Amino acid sequence: NAGVTQTPKFQVLKTGQSMTLQCAQDMNHNSMYWYRQDPGMGLRLIYYSASEGTTDKGEVPNGYNVSRLNKREFSLRLESAAPSQTSVYFCASRPNAGAGTGAIDEQFFGPGTRLTVL
Amino acid sequence: SQKIEQNSEALNIQEGKTATLTCNYTNYSPAYLQWYRQDPGRGPVFLLLIRENEKEKRKERLKVTFDTTLKQSLFHITASQPADSATYLCALLRGSSNTGKLIFGQGTTLQVKP
Repeated sequence: NAGVTQTPKFQVLKTGQSMTLQCAQDMNHNSMYWYRQDPGMGLRLIYYSASEGTTDKGEVPNGYNVSRLNKREFSLRLESAAPSQTSVYFCASRPNAGAGTGAIDEQFFGPGTRLTVL
Repeated sequence: SQKIEQNSEALNIQEGKTATLTCNYTNYSPAYLQWYRQDPGRGPVFLLLIRENEKEKRKERLKVTFDTTLKQSLFHITASQPADSATYLCALLRGSSNTGKLIFGQGTTLQVKP
């Protein structure tokens, strides 16, 4: 299993450009999450998806949109990038309740996307 | 709103000693609290979860305590090794356990010197 994969690993954008960060998991998890991590701020939840076709806002959703087209993939879109969105973005997934893993509440993280907006 | 505080200063200890990291929170006590390890340039990796009705949880050289009166969790690494050097993140459940939404602390960096 590859676990949680993210593309791209690095990206540089100019202010106003748009882009989509891709995330996929092969663990058959229902729940998926997008976080951003900034120095001294810790991880902050941007959006959450409980299942295919459903999404919910987190702490810092402004300037972002998400799409959960199927169970595996959860994408994050920046429609008009701003320098304040320079950050490291992490995608995560969580096992389903009753999956028998014994640790249904832990989250599995991808390797991250480092985004710089000039 | 719920806030989490971890010591932002790096913790430097000698190999073989016990490292103790602190996580303090305000407001309500969550249903559970988690600890993650993060290496530079990598995503966080889950270590331990402790529920509100548990005082202590152990896994190999790791021990976590949860004091809902003090609103504090302590994370201990015994017989520390240089390979334990990393940033450790505390995370609390935010709201219902059905969502699994977490609030993270800013992390404490541990440096174990040989």
